This record gives sequence, C-alpha cells and structure tokens, in this order.
Amino acid sequence: KAGVTQTPRYLIKTRGQQVTLSCSPISGHRSVSWYQQTPGQGLQFLFEYFSETQRNKGNFPGRFSGRQFSNSRSEMNVSTLELGDSALYLCASKLGDLSNSPLHFGNGTRLTVT
Amino acid sequence: AQSVTQPDIHITVSEGASLELRCNYSYGATPYLFWYVQSPGQGLQLLLKYFSGDTLVQGIKGFEAEFKRSQSSFNLRKPSVHWSDAAEYFCAVGAGVNAGKSTFGDGTTLTVKP
Repeated sequence: KAGVTQTPRYLIKTRGQQVTLSCSPISGHRSVSWYQQTPGQGLQFLFEYFSETQRNKGNFPGRFSGRQFSNSRSEMNVSTLELGDSALYLCASKLGDLSNSPLHFGNGTRLTVT
Repeated sequence: AQSVTQPDIHITVSEGASLELRCNYSYGATPYLFWYVQSPGQGLQLLLKYFSGDTLVQGIKGFEAEFKRSQSSFNLRKPSVHWSDAAEYFCAVGAGVNAGKSTFGDGTTLTVKP
C-alpha cells in the first residue's frame, strides 16, 4: 500500500506570494492532519480534516488554510508568505476516527521563503 | 491541555551501548502515547504506541517503551544501539476525537559514536 505522498518536495517562494501544498493520504484513510516543523518551534499542529470537514485547528493566522476533497486528498494554502513561514510542512493521515490510530507521515514539503 | 516534555535535546551514545530517551506527558485522562523517529529530510515513522494494558510495549527496530502512570512518563529504550539509529526521536500524546491533533515533544536528537 502506498504511503502518504506530499508534493512538491521543495518550494522556493518570495515574500508576499502564496503557495499550495498537496497531500495524498494512504488509501482508506479519511483523516488528514498538517503540521509545521521548524528548528525553533518544533512540530506545530496546523489543522485536521476528516471527511472533508475541518475538525481541529491550531493557533496559526488565517493566512494558513486547508481543504479536503471527497477522495480524502488534502491541500493547504498559505497566502501572503512571510520569511517565518519557511519550514518543513508535514502531512499525516490516520485510519478512520479511532483515537488509537497512529499518524502516518509523508516526507514533507520543504518551503523556503526569500 | 495536553503537553509533552522531552528533557534531553541531544544524546550521544556509543554503538552497542544501551539507550533511554525520556518523555513526560501531561494529560487529564488515560493518554494514548506514541514514539516516532525522523531521519534527516524525512517524515516521521511510528516506532511504537501505548493505549492500555501491558505497560511495556514493543516496537519496531528493537525499541521498547514503558508507561509509568505514577511518573507520567513513557521512556523509550533500546538495549544495543546501532549506527543507523542516529535520528531525531519524538514522543507524542493524542487521544479522543482530537487524536489527529497530537501534541509532540520538542524531540531528542540521537548521535551514535562508532
């Protein structure tokens, strides 16, 4: 079974631009979560989608948004990019709604904002 | 609110030596606890998980962890470290409907000396 796929792997953007990152979960997984990883802040939760609905949201500004499609694929968008948005963005999927299901992570998208 | 503390930012051990990585959590009910490992440039991979029952859980790659409710700890151990174990290790807690919103510790970087 294929793992979580994130595209692209690397992105370089300029301040003020916007960016869209994509995540394809493991087949059958309906929950998709997004995390931002930086050396200073560690792993920070962005949001979680389940069956096309945002179920949880972290403490990030409204410039960060996401959505989930009927096939469980998810995208996150960051508008008006700032230098501090440079990070590794990780997507993780989870089987169903079981709280004991672990997260399965993709390899991430490395975003650099210049 | 749930939280996770990994007291050791960086640990260095010699190859063949034993390893213990510490994790303390704060959670109001019975926690669901996880250990993940991240190699450079990669996503996180699940090592093991604890939900209930036997407090000593076995994981992949020869790792094990012990849940101690009285100490709010979930320490990761390995009897003999291999050079390939060098990576960053994350402890996480997640439960209930918010399981997709797991809270991660800041991570412990493991260096293995030849």
